[in-house]
Amino acid sequence: GAVVSQHPSWVICKSGTSVKIECRSLDFQATTMFWYRQFPKQSLMLMATSNEGSKATYEQGVEKDKFLINHASLTLSTLTVTSAHPEDSSFYICSARGERVDGEQYFGPGTRLTVT
Amino acid sequence: DAKTTQPTSMDCAEGRAANLPCNHSTISGNEYVYWYRQIHSQGPQYIIHGLKNNETNEMASLIITEDRKSSTLILPHATLRDTAVYYCIVRRRDNYGQNFVFGPGTRLSVLP
Repeated sequence: GAVVSQHPSWVICKSGTSVKIECRSLDFQATTMFWYRQFPKQSLMLMATSNEGSKATYEQGVEKDKFLINHASLTLSTLTVTSAHPEDSSFYICSARGERVDGEQYFGPGTRLTVT
Repeated sequence: DAKTTQPTSMDCAEGRAANLPCNHSTISGNEYVYWYRQIHSQGPQYIIHGLKNNETNEMASLIITEDRKSSTLILPHATLRDTAVYYCIVRRRDNYGQNFVFGPGTRLSVLP
């Protein structure tokens, strides 16, 4: 199947700093990318959906000014956690889908963020 | 909210078939049933999906009831590496295409 990568795989940062997470589709063009967050022992929660070249659509309760999403190309989306705090510590997972609306959605390996 | 219900956990003996049930009684006609699994600290892995017919691939089989209100994922010969959380997802559509809403899933433990 198609490959989605994330970088970094884990990151530790200090409270108040910003962290950028990259999501890349390696062998297909991702017209839509999704960002999820997963706290320990919980399921994945969709944070936002982004279409290439458009502003992201955020799920209810997700602060768009805190979680900045950029989807400037068909192979790259970035999530920036601004002014991170310990409660932002989580497993962040991106997912990408190609042009077909009913196409499969491929998930990245996830990024473990720890804010100290 | 997730539109599916699954048992919280299940055990299966290594080498035996693992049958994971899922209820999706409010599924609408154009919604597919998808199965993903997540091994600890990894991203979800696609397993299989179907609309109304039974499906089989190299990983698993998907049996969907005729009324489409429930389905069963079958791993024919479970191995220790199949230990994971299995998510049954009914795909919804919105203006930007399809999103996946994850419920709590079933934690499958394959025992030696």
